[in-house]
Amino acid sequence: QKEVEQDPGPLSVPEGAIVSLNCTYSNSAFQYFMWYRQYSRKGPELLMYTYSSGNKEDGRFTAQVDKSSKYISLFIRDSQPSDSATYLCAMRILPMDSNYQLIWGAGTKLIIKP
Amino acid sequence: EAQVTQNPRYLITVTGKKLTVTCSQNMNHEYMSWYRQDPGLGLRQIYYSMNVEVTDKGDVPEGYKVSRKEKRNFPLILESPSPNQTSLYFCASLPSGTRHGQPQHFGDGTRLSIL
Repeated sequence: QKEVEQDPGPLSVPEGAIVSLNCTYSNSAFQYFMWYRQYSRKGPELLMYTYSSGNKEDGRFTAQVDKSSKYISLFIRDSQPSDSATYLCAMRILPMDSNYQLIWGAGTKLIIKP
Repeated sequence: EAQVTQNPRYLITVTGKKLTVTCSQNMNHEYMSWYRQDPGLGLRQIYYSMNVEVTDKGDVPEGYKVSRKEKRNFPLILESPSPNQTSLYFCASLPSGTRHGQPQHFGDGTRLSIL
């Protein structure tokens, strides 16, 4: 079983819809949770970051962590065609060791139809 | 412009022919890392380097070598490539003393096909 599970999609929704992207994980020691966005033929770029449980909002994006269920979510409101990309979740354990290694989900491909 | 540059972006080669993928960053970052990305498996770390002349294995180091002679460069070397090394490769960097929320800066990737 992988440490981090993520539905690969593709997830196709119409423009303006609310999108929900999710990851589940098995290691309860994970404390830092990140969402990266990866456009085609590009490297991943950090979108959102949360520490421990709770919600974090940044414009149209909301990241949510439910540690009791070992489940994280990324919500995108008023989705735009420019949001079409692969979304990768990543997480790491405390403490911060010398290798800034993240454990990655496989990524969900999102398609926003105009 | 702050960036991580990888070369080549695409390469098709044959089994056993040594190749090097270069990675260079212009941000004076101490930490650099190589990943491979395969469908359904996500990003897996190959090697990382905490600073010049300091390198260590990641999760999937077999068949790869790295060197870190200068802070800005971190080449990935495949001495005898095999078809199972066909993948999309990413180089990334971070400054040392990074706090947990600081993003890794990724290059745009190198797609290798080993025939």
